[in-house]
Amino acid sequence: AQSVTQLDSHVSVSEGTPVLLRCNYSSSYSPSLFWYVQHPNKGLQLLLKYTSAATLVKGINGFEAEFKKSETSFHLTKPSAHMSDAAEYFCVVSGPAQIQGAQKLVFGQGTRLTINP
Amino acid sequence: SAVISQKPSRDICQRGTSLTIQCQVDSQVTMMFWYRQQPGQSLTLIATANQGSEATYESGFVIDKFPISRPNLTFSTLTVSNMSPEDSSIYLCSVEESQGRWQYFGPGTRLTVT
Repeated sequence: AQSVTQLDSHVSVSEGTPVLLRCNYSSSYSPSLFWYVQHPNKGLQLLLKYTSAATLVKGINGFEAEFKKSETSFHLTKPSAHMSDAAEYFCVVSGPAQIQGAQKLVFGQGTRLTINP
Repeated sequence: SAVISQKPSRDICQRGTSLTIQCQVDSQVTMMFWYRQQPGQSLTLIATANQGSEATYESGFVIDKFPISRPNLTFSTLTVSNMSPEDSSIYLCSVEESQGRWQYFGPGTRLTVT
């Protein structure tokens, strides 16, 4: 079984300050982990992905995340927030395709990021 | 990356009626997925649609309520049947990236049932 817990439902930061969105996962397999972003009235966009290569993953728009197996975490960070970063962020886990049902994407509950001017 | 389109983008429907949502992909894919996103909530997988076989439904979702068609490798439809206000949600289709485990999502269909 797999699950994801996003530790904050809402994060608010000032423009130009760092962003930290926290995610913990649970998986019986070697997981793949993703962050997706959903801007208001827009579809879901893949921000970055971890699939068992480098543990520090860089994504689009200056975001990065670090896979920490010992802490079962995959927190999303950005050094300096921009107004355009305001959106809903989803942490997602999946497992190996060769195990039936494990490859399904399991979504966290989402974190709404607000940027203050 | 795959480009996915959905029709309609939004609709307002009366309870008791049905709506069919279309999903079109610009390349051939083996599996397509349908998700529901209720207001203010995360995404929940409804079913997985493989071409040439019956869709596989997740717990809590049944074929009579959400029939799915997958006539070819680039197209799928999801029907929301006998709608009630509780069906008001965004419905999204997705496809799996051919070389990895992530998925690309369509823009979604925003359904309001009155």
